[in-house]
Amino acid sequence: QAVVTQEPSLTVSPGGTVTLTCGSNTGAVTSGHYAYWFQQKPGQAPRTLIYDTNNKHSWTPARFSSSLLGGRAALTLSGAQPEDEADYYCLLSYVGSRVFGGGTKLTVL
Amino acid sequence: EVQLVESGGGVVKPGGSLRLSCAASGFTFTHAWMNWVRQAPGKGLEWVGHIRSKTDGGTADCAAPLKDRFTLSRDDSKNTLYLQINSLKTEDTATYYCVSPSGHLGQGSLVTVSS
Repeated sequence: QAVVTQEPSLTVSPGGTVTLTCGSNTGAVTSGHYAYWFQQKPGQAPRTLIYDTNNKHSWTPARFSSSLLGGRAALTLSGAQPEDEADYYCLLSYVGSRVFGGGTKLTVL
Repeated sequence: EVQLVESGGGVVKPGGSLRLSCAASGFTFTHAWMNWVRQAPGKGLEWVGHIRSKTDGGTADCAAPLKDRFTLSRDDSKNTLYLQINSLKTEDTATYYCVSPSGHLGQGSLVTVSS
């Protein structure tokens, strides 16, 4: 089974920019991995910010953007707000399976 | 508006079985590959499995550690997704979510495995 890796924790200053990444031990992440990004705030159910690499939902704040960067999927937050403090999970698709990363705990401080 | 409503969770003894349901609306369910994911208390998200649309074969895949006990199925006439879990273990205690292709999740169904 593939292993998907994320930064365990990141800190960003209010108004700052931070990039969360998602890598695969099988090689470079491509559009064929159909990356999803989920946000989960304490005590809440997760919700999807990005699906199929770069598709946003109506509720996805414009300050979030996604890309493929250096062989990894990336979620960039530009202009961080206190309410962006949360756990972020990526999900990658493989032939016959999908795998979550371990999540990134983002602190806005 | 996409809606996913899970049901069927509860408290089950180790070794027991359970079937979760997910009623879907607001999108073309028959064309959708549907997923189940779960989250144990205090832990991260875990992919459980997916089932293809009938036009793509209707077959299902489960995460390797789960495939002997977990079975996904669907009833397109009812726009409903199912997850059958057998030989339940305490480590199956989690909130189970169904997920649409566009990443919509239901509110989740809590399964607690305890004697």
